[in-house]
Amino acid sequence: NAGVMQNPRHLVRRRGQEARLRCSPMKGHSHVYWYRQLPEEGLKFMVYLQKENIIDESGMPKERFSAEFPKEGPSILRIQQVVRGDSAAYFCASSRPGTREETQYFGPGTRLLVL
Amino acid sequence: DAKTTQPNSMESNEEEPVHLPCNHSTISGTDYIHWYRQLPSQGPEYVIHGLTSNVNNRMASLAIAEDRKSSTLILHRATLRDAAVYYCIRRYGGSQGNLIFGKGTKLSVKP
Repeated sequence: NAGVMQNPRHLVRRRGQEARLRCSPMKGHSHVYWYRQLPEEGLKFMVYLQKENIIDESGMPKERFSAEFPKEGPSILRIQQVVRGDSAAYFCASSRPGTREETQYFGPGTRLLVL
Repeated sequence: DAKTTQPNSMESNEEEPVHLPCNHSTISGTDYIHWYRQLPSQGPEYVIHGLTSNVNNRMASLAIAEDRKSSTLILHRATLRDAAVYYCIRRYGGSQGNLIFGKGTKLSVKP
């Protein structure tokens, strides 16, 4: 059973460009979470999605950031007009519905560098 | 607010047991204690979780105090591969939603 997959693993963008990060959850998982880890800092929650629905986006910056989890295909975290402060590791996690303690399984992350 | 308190760092020798403490003095009756770890340059990895009773799995043991205000993650024989940041996280039982990570404990393992 493949784990959570994220691509690309590394992404370099110039200021003002767009970044698209993809996350494929584990088989059978329909809950996806995105977290961001700034250099030398802890992990911060960004957004929680279920298929075709955003459940909690309280950690998302108000501008330039969006996320989706379509019925088919991976979840996408999109950052428009990137700035240097967006440079970070972005982790996706997935979980299976109906599990009481809801363990989350993390992908290897996408490391975004904005030049 | 992670609502847990952990030492910033700990050191261990290889093949010796490691006890990683966590304080969660305001825990409620339905909160589970979860532990995750993050190896260098990797995503977090689930380690173990428990509610009231001590728990064991292939990775570690979790000892929960009788009053549930603290817990200890036990690695029975540390290896170099166990060097990581260990996070103790409270989760409301039955809830879905995000994990709140604190600063964790950075464990160093010396050969």
